[in-house]
Amino acid sequence: DAGVIQSPRHEVTEMGQEVTLRCKPISGHDYLFWYRQTMMRGLELLIYFNNNVPIDDSGMPEDRFSAKMPNASFSTLKIQPSEPRDSAVYFCASSPPGGAQHFGDGTRLSIL
Amino acid sequence: GEDVEQSLFLSVREGDSSVINCTYTDSSSTYLYWYKQEPGAGLQLLTYIFSNMDMKQDQRLTVLLNKKDKHLSLRIADTQTGDSAIYFCAESLGFTGGGNKLTFGTGTQLKVEL
Repeated sequence: DAGVIQSPRHEVTEMGQEVTLRCKPISGHDYLFWYRQTMMRGLELLIYFNNNVPIDDSGMPEDRFSAKMPNASFSTLKIQPSEPRDSAVYFCASSPPGGAQHFGDGTRLSIL
Repeated sequence: GEDVEQSLFLSVREGDSSVINCTYTDSSSTYLYWYKQEPGAGLQLLTYIFSNMDMKQDQRLTVLLNKKDKHLSLRIADTQTGDSAIYFCAESLGFTGGGNKLTFGTGTQLKVEL
């Protein structure tokens, strides 16, 4: 079975550019989570969705960050404009109700 | 609030047992998880335990839960070089706690030496 699929795997862009990260959850999973991982702060939950609806976005750092889930098989995390301090590994995870979260391989983002 | 703590590093010799420890603060935790992260990869679910259990064994992995002390441990028997990775402990309030939202520890870097 396919796991959580994230794209791109790596992204390098200049400060001020718009960045869009993509995620395809495991089919049948109702929950989708976006995380950010850095050496300084570890794993941080940014936002999560249930049945395509955002439930808790309290972890989204600033208005420059936005996330959408237009359907059950696709979600995006957008940063506009990007800044060097946004450099991190961004993970998407999905889970069935009450079940364990399964993670994608992440997108390594570098903002120059 | 929720807080999960782990020691940062552990070094063991190949063939020995590894014990990775974790403490948590939320007594309402329903599930406790162990994830493994290899370099350049995502987090891989290793095992989990319900809060009403004391122990769970899965091949080389043994999870022990001390609810009174809010202490969780992961024992890896016959540790191999392929076990070198970062291990994350995570707690959850379960489905009623908001979609099984997880609170992660800082991760323990396990280094297996020959």
